[in-house]
Amino acid sequence: AQSVTQLGSHVSVSEGALVLLRCNYSSSVPPYLFWYVQYPNQGLQLLLKYTTGATLVKGINGFEAEFKKSETSFHLTKPSAHMSDAAEYFCAVRPSVKVIFGPGTSLSVIP
Amino acid sequence: NAGVTQTPKFRVLKTGQSMTLLCAQDMNHEYMYWYRQDPGMGLRLIHYSVGEGTTAKGEVPDGYNVSRLKKQNFLLGLESAAPSQTSVYFCASSYQGTDTQYFGPGTRLTVL
Repeated sequence: AQSVTQLGSHVSVSEGALVLLRCNYSSSVPPYLFWYVQYPNQGLQLLLKYTTGATLVKGINGFEAEFKKSETSFHLTKPSAHMSDAAEYFCAVRPSVKVIFGPGTSLSVIP
Repeated sequence: NAGVTQTPKFRVLKTGQSMTLLCAQDMNHEYMYWYRQDPGMGLRLIHYSVGEGTTAKGEVPDGYNVSRLKKQNFLLGLESAAPSQTSVYFCASSYQGTDTQYFGPGTRLTVL
């Protein structure tokens, strides 16, 4: 069965520090991979996605992620955290019509 | 464009009551989805639809029913609400099955 694992349900970083949110997936077929962000009391919105082609994907707000097939990973990074990055982040894999979401990682940014 | 809208935003039900959640999208998307979000569990797919008049079960369909009579609307029904259905419900839509999903703002449901 397909699954998505996000290491760390809560991550804290200092403002200006590197953000690294980890995502690993299991999939029997080449998947589409997504990162979504959810701000408090809002729906999810797309940060970035990988479909085919270049394995380093750039998204909105300075985030990027790299698809590593050999590691079945799709980690999300941002060089310098801002206070506005505090939110819940979800990794998702889409092998077919159905999307499988990870449990989420809550990111806190410390001034 | 309004995108994906959900009605109502909040609702409190008593055990055994019924209700319908409405999702509407104005992007002419074929695919629509209903998820529930619970702490520490991410989003779990309840039902989905690949086009007008079609529906299919997702990961956690028990206790819910859906209908897609019009392309732009996707209704989620609870026939006899249970406390285990207390959750935040999100609707989403996409143009194709592997495309980006666009989410509504959510409905917070409490079942007493």
